[in-house]
Amino acid sequence: NAGVMQNPRHLVRRRGQEARLRCSPMKGHSHVYWYRQLPEEGLKFMVYLQKENIIDESGMPKERFSAEFPKEGPSILRIQQVVRGDSAAYFCASSPPDRAAYNEQFFGPGTRLTVL
Amino acid sequence: GIQVEQSPPDLILQEGANSTLRCNFSDSVNNLQWFHQNPWGQLINLFYIPSGTKQNGRLSATTVATERYSLLYISSSQTTDSGVYFCVAGTYKYIFGTGTRLKVLA
Repeated sequence: NAGVMQNPRHLVRRRGQEARLRCSPMKGHSHVYWYRQLPEEGLKFMVYLQKENIIDESGMPKERFSAEFPKEGPSILRIQQVVRGDSAAYFCASSPPDRAAYNEQFFGPGTRLTVL
Repeated sequence: GIQVEQSPPDLILQEGANSTLRCNFSDSVNNLQWFHQNPWGQLINLFYIPSGTKQNGRLSATTVATERYSLLYISSSQTTDSGVYFCVAGTYKYIFGTGTRLKVLA
């Protein structure tokens, strides 16, 4: 059973470009979470999604950031008009379909975004 | 919201030594996990332990939910144990602790 997959693993963008980060959850998992890790800090929750639904986006910046988890395909975290402060590692996690509040989360390897 | 504090913030050990890392959390939680982030940035899941005791090789963990703390024990440390250890707690919204930065010297 493959783990959580993220791609790309490294992404370089120039200021003003768009960044698209993809996350494929573990097989059978229908809950996806995105976290951001700024340099020398711990991870911070961004958003929690189920298929076709955003459940909690309280950690997402209000502008330029969006996330989706379509019925088919991976979850996408999209950052428009990137700025240098968006440079960070973005981790995705997934959990099984029942009782998300009581379930272990499995983390992917992360995408390291560098904004030039 | 839930606060997760870890101690010590930094730890230097000689290879072969034992250590205990502590995690205090401010409110009752449904989930608690310990992770090791290695020097390459990978997050390695060590334990999912909202309560009780678990062991895996040289590592073991204990969570006393009623007293809101968890301990991670590392025995016979190796240089590959170096990195940052995170305690993570919460419901579906995981709160990461401040981390313990461990360096094991050969």
